[in-house]
This record gives sequence, structure tokens and C-alpha cells, in this order.
Amino acid sequence: NAGVTQTPKFRILKIGQSMTLQCAQDMNHNYMYWYRQDPGMGLKLIYYSVGAGITDKGEVPNGYNVSRSTTEDFPLRLELAAPSQTSVYFCASSRDSYVYTFGSGTRLTVV
Amino acid sequence: KQEVTQIPAALSVPEGENLVLNCSFTDSAIYNLQWFRQDPGKGLTSLLLIQSSQREQTSGRLNASLDKSSGRSTLYIAASQPGDSATYLCATGGAGSYQLTFGKGTKLSVIP
Repeated sequence: NAGVTQTPKFRILKIGQSMTLQCAQDMNHNYMYWYRQDPGMGLKLIYYSVGAGITDKGEVPNGYNVSRSTTEDFPLRLELAAPSQTSVYFCASSRDSYVYTFGSGTRLTVV
Repeated sequence: KQEVTQIPAALSVPEGENLVLNCSFTDSAIYNLQWFRQDPGKGLTSLLLIQSSQREQTSGRLNASLDKSSGRSTLYIAASQPGDSATYLCATGGAGSYQLTFGKGTKLSVIP
């Protein structure tokens, strides 16, 4: 029972670099989400997907892109990293959009 | 726009005490409310989910209540233990929305 797996756990990027945060779930959940959590703040939704091939923007999508080619995977792409994207990123999935399973997070620092 | 507030931001109690964590929200038109636990360096673990038609949910030593009309929820932890030390987050879900709106959390420390 792996649940939701996020890689990498930690990453340091230089300003202007790009990277992809990986997220995979093995529970056959239709719904998948990307949230970011800034220090001392609540989580904010970046993007979500209701199934393979279907994605939509959340509250804070600028500077990010996603794709959902399979039910299992939901990668988050950062283009032209900026210091404002320093945060902890959480991927989550749910079967019915109510009960969530979260990954352990990716801590990203942009310098 | 929904806003979720959790007070206090931090709480320290001796082991064995019963305690209450508070969550308030500005828009009462919610579909559900959830309480999560977050341990340092870890992801979030779902504790309790209350649908808008429900008043409370219980799981072991945890009891969560919901009062939509007043925009409040409470998480009651009975007989607290050091293992309960974590940050507790509440989040609301809106009808027709896939987004959860989170509070900033309450950091709980249970002192042995």
C-alpha cells in the first residue's frame, strides 16, 4: 500500500531553472490535486484533475503546468522558477473528492 | 471567498488533559468540513470528515462538531497523549468545488 508517492523529497533550484515534481498513486483514484503550503500558512490549491486527460486550475496556478496522461500519475511542472515558488508541495488523491490521501511532500527552495 | 481561521495558533497542554481546537469559516454554504493532522516533515492525515447535514463525527478519542449557522467547528481531543503532538488543520469543501480551503492550523504540544 504505497498510497501517494512524491519525488523528490527535497530540491534546490536556481532562479530561472525548470523542474517537474512527480506524483503517483496506486489506489485507482480519479481525483488528484496539487497544493502548496507556505510557512505558517494553510494549503492552497494549484491544479487539480478529475480523471486522465482532464485538468483545471485552482487558486494559485500561475507559474505551473500539469498533465494527466494516466490515472496513476499527475506531474507538476515549474517553468522559470522564482523565489516566490519556494514552498512545500503536496500531491493528494481521492476516490470521491471528499476523503483525501496526501503524499509526504516535496520541499522546494528557489535561490 | 471562503476564509478559514483557527485559533489558537499554538497550544501546549499537560498529558491527560481534554482539549478543544477551534475552527471558524466565513461562508456557511459548505458541503463538508474536514480535520487533518500534520506531523513535521510529513503529509496530512485525514482525521474526521463531517458532511454539511451532520452535526458531529467521532473516532476514538476525537470528536468533531459542526455548526454551519455560526460558521464554527470544534475538534475535541480526550485524554491527550504526547503522541497527539502535531499541527491540526481544518478545511472546508464547497458544493460543486474540488477545492478545500484550509486554515493555518493549530500546533499542539502535549507535555509528558
